[in-house]
Amino acid sequence: EAGVAQSPRYKIIEKRQSVAFWCNPISGHATLYWYQQILGQGPKLLIQFQNNGVVDDSQLPKDRFSAERLKGVDSTLKIQPAKLEDSAVYLCASSLDSASTDTQYFGPGTRLTVL
Amino acid sequence: AQSVTQLDSQVPVFEEAPVELRCNYSSSVSVYLFWYVQYPNQGLQLLLKYLSGSTLVKGINGFEAEFNKSQTSFHLRKPSVHISDTAEYFCAVASNSGYALNFGKGTSLLVTP
Repeated sequence: EAGVAQSPRYKIIEKRQSVAFWCNPISGHATLYWYQQILGQGPKLLIQFQNNGVVDDSQLPKDRFSAERLKGVDSTLKIQPAKLEDSAVYLCASSLDSASTDTQYFGPGTRLTVL
Repeated sequence: AQSVTQLDSQVPVFEEAPVELRCNYSSSVSVYLFWYVQYPNQGLQLLLKYLSGSTLVKGINGFEAEFNKSQTSFHLRKPSVHISDTAEYFCAVASNSGYALNFGKGTSLLVTP
């Protein structure tokens, strides 16, 4: 079974530029998550989708971050414009359903460096 | 809201020695508890989870954890570690009425010969 795929793996940009990350979840998984992991900290949930609808985006900085999950499969996370404090690893995860008991499967992440 | 405190940021241990990684949680409702491992340059992988029932949970790679409701703890243990266990370990909590996982800051386990 293929795991969660993410691209790119690494990205370096200047502040105020825009950037986009892509995630392909495990086939058949209805729920998709984006997490931000700053160095030395645990992952923090940014947004959760159930199929193509948003379940929780309470911690997403909506003035600069946006995410979509067209057709309930792949998802993109965009930052525009980027700030220095956005430097982090962005993790995508998926689970079969949205229950908190469901195991979340994580991708390898995209490491973003903002200069 | 639920939160997790991992009491040790780094744990050095010799190969074949036992190890315990500590995790305490805070919540006003019933919770589910998880331990994830993150190897260098890889995504997080579930080690084990406590949902209900037996308080001793066994996971992959010889790890186990014990849920202690009175002490609000979920410590991870392994009786004999290998070099390959070197990784970052994250404790996480979710409520039975919500969806999101709340992660601790992680504990870096360094196993040396």
